Amino acid sequence: AQSVTQPDIHITVSEGASLELRCNYSYGATPYLFWYVQSPGQGLQLLLKYFSGDTLVQGIKGFEAEFKRSQSSFNLRKPSVHWSDAAEYFCAVNSGNTPLVFGKGTRLSVIA
Amino acid sequence: DVKVTQSSRYLVKRTGEKVFLECVQDMDHENMFWYRQDPGLGLRLIYFSYDVKMKEKGDIPEGYSVSREKKERFSLILESASTNQTSMYLCASSVPGVETQYFGPGTRLLVL
Repeated sequence: AQSVTQPDIHITVSEGASLELRCNYSYGATPYLFWYVQSPGQGLQLLLKYFSGDTLVQGIKGFEAEFKRSQSSFNLRKPSVHWSDAAEYFCAVNSGNTPLVFGKGTRLSVIA
Repeated sequence: DVKVTQSSRYLVKRTGEKVFLECVQDMDHENMFWYRQDPGLGLRLIYFSYDVKMKEKGDIPEGYSVSREKKERFSLILESASTNQTSMYLCASSVPGVETQYFGPGTRLLVL
């Protein structure tokens, strides 16, 4: 069965520090991979997606993610975190016209 | 921009009441989805629809039903609300072959 694992439930980083959020997936077919962000009380906003091609994808708000097929991973990175990045981040996967399968999310806190 | 709207941001209902959650998208998307979000559990798929009058069960359909009479509108129905249905409900839509899902702002439902 398809599954997405986000190993870190909660991460705290200092403002200006680099960030990496981990995502591992288990999927039988070629996956389409997504990262979404949810600010408190809001819906989900798409940060970036990977369908094919270059394995390093750029997204909005200065985020990037790298698809590593050999590790079944799609980790999200940002070189310098801003206080406004505090939110919950969800990794998701699907393939073709199928519903998304989500990870359980990683809550990011940013401290001064 | 794609816009997905949900009829209420906050809703309080009594146990046993019939509850309707409405979702409307304005971009002529064929696919629509209902998820519920609970702390520590991420997003779980309740029902989805790939066309008008069509519906498919997701991972947790028990206690819910849906209606899709028009392409732009997808309703989630709680036939007899229970306290364990207190949750955040998120609607999403997408175009077949374009896998990105666009989310509404969510409805936070409290069942007393």
